[in-house]
Amino acid sequence: KAGVTQTPRYLIKTRGQQVTLSCSPISGHRSVSWYQQTPGQGLQFLFEYFSETQRNKGNFPGRFSGRQFSNSRSEMNVSTLELGDSALYLCASSLMVAGVRKTQYFGPGTRLLVL
Amino acid sequence: DQQVKQNSPSLSVQEGRISILNCDYTNSMFDYFLWYKKYPAEGPTFLISISSIKDKNEDGRFTVFLNKSAKHLSLHIVPSQPGDSAVYFCAAMPSGIRSQGNLIFGKGTKLSVKP
Repeated sequence: KAGVTQTPRYLIKTRGQQVTLSCSPISGHRSVSWYQQTPGQGLQFLFEYFSETQRNKGNFPGRFSGRQFSNSRSEMNVSTLELGDSALYLCASSLMVAGVRKTQYFGPGTRLLVL
Repeated sequence: DQQVKQNSPSLSVQEGRISILNCDYTNSMFDYFLWYKKYPAEGPTFLISISSIKDKNEDGRFTVFLNKSAKHLSLHIVPSQPGDSAVYFCAAMPSGIRSQGNLIFGKGTKLSVKP
C-alpha cells in the first residue's frame, strides 16, 4: 500500500507570495492533518480535515488555510508569505474507527523556503 | 508553554548498548502517547505507542514505559544499532476528544549510535 505522498518536495518563494501544498493520504485514510516543523518550534499542529471538513485547528494565523477533497486528498495554502514561514510542512493521514482516530502516518514533507 | 518536553536534545550511545530516550508532559488530560523516528529529509515514522491504561508496551527492540504519576515516559532501544541514529519525537494526544485530537510533539532528541 502506498504511503502518504506530498508535492512538491521543495519550494522556493518570495515574501508576499502565496503557496499551495498538496497531500495524498494512504488509501482508505480519511483523516488528514498538517504540521509545521521549524528548528525553533519543533512540530506544531496546523489543522485536521475529515470528510472534507476542518475539525480541528492549531494556533496559526488566518493566512494558513486548507481544504480536503472528496477523495480525501488535501491541500494547504499559505497567503502573503513571510520569512518565518520557511519550514518543513508535514502531512499525516490516519484511519477513523468508531469515531476514534488511529495512528497518524506522515508523508516526507514539503520543504518551503521563503526569501 | 511546552506541554511535551524532551529535555535532552542529543544522546550518544555505543552500538549494542541500551538507548533510553526520555519525555515529560504537563497535561494530565493526555492519555495516548507515541514515539516517532525521523531521518533527515523524511517525514516522521511511527515507532510505538502506549495508552495511559498501560505502563509498558514492547515491540521488538523498542519498549515504551509510562509513569503516569510522574507524567514521564521513556523509550528503550535494546540493543542499539547504527541504523537507529535519527531524531526521536515523543508525542501526546489528549483524552476525550480522540476523534479530533491532534498530536502535541516534543522538540526531539537526536540519537547517535556509534559502531
